[in-house]
Amino acid sequence: NAGVTQTPKFRVLKTGQSMTLLCAQDMNHEYMYWYRQDPGMGLRLIHYSVGEGTTAKGEVPDGYNVSRLKKQNFLLGLESAAPSQTSVYFCASTASGEVETQYFGPGTRLLVL
Amino acid sequence: GQNIDQPTEMTATEGAIVQINCTYQTSGFNGLFWYQQHAGEAPTFLSYNVLDGLEEKGRFSSFLSRSKGYSYLLLKELQMKDSASYLCAVSDSNYQLIWGAGTKLIIKP
Repeated sequence: NAGVTQTPKFRVLKTGQSMTLLCAQDMNHEYMYWYRQDPGMGLRLIHYSVGEGTTAKGEVPDGYNVSRLKKQNFLLGLESAAPSQTSVYFCASTASGEVETQYFGPGTRLLVL
Repeated sequence: GQNIDQPTEMTATEGAIVQINCTYQTSGFNGLFWYQQHAGEAPTFLSYNVLDGLEEKGRFSSFLSRSKGYSYLLLKELQMKDSASYLCAVSDSNYQLIWGAGTKLIIKP
């Protein structure tokens, strides 16, 4: 039981490049989330999904797209990376949308030059 | 708007007690969470409060006052491994978590 895993752990991009971050969970959780964490700020929700085939925007969705084709996977895409997207990205999952503990992946550190 | 406030940094001595405060203003309230985050790692769940009062779990306790929009996390018998950031988060009316910026706790021998 690996919990929540994220790929890659670290990536350097040039401005304008694209990439996809992969999140996978083996807990059969319905809800999945993508957050970014920046120094001096709280975790900010980018996008989330309430189930396979559904996604919704969070607090800071601009510049990102997501897909949830399989229940266990949640992908975060950057079509044209910008230096402002330099951050640590965390994926999380929870059993339902009501008050449940969120389980986090180890994070992906992204540097955009 | 929605807002979670907690001190940026606190310092305490090994073996002592420390209280980390959190105040919140959110659209709706469905509970308050405390998470621990060691440097370079993911947040991990510590506690959850939805009713007023104190919840105790070993060396850690968490208190909630909904009327005051206030919570604290109390850490007793501090150990060096408790050096970490402590994140306060509130579940709002849509069951989305609103996060504070975190309190970095430094433990000195």
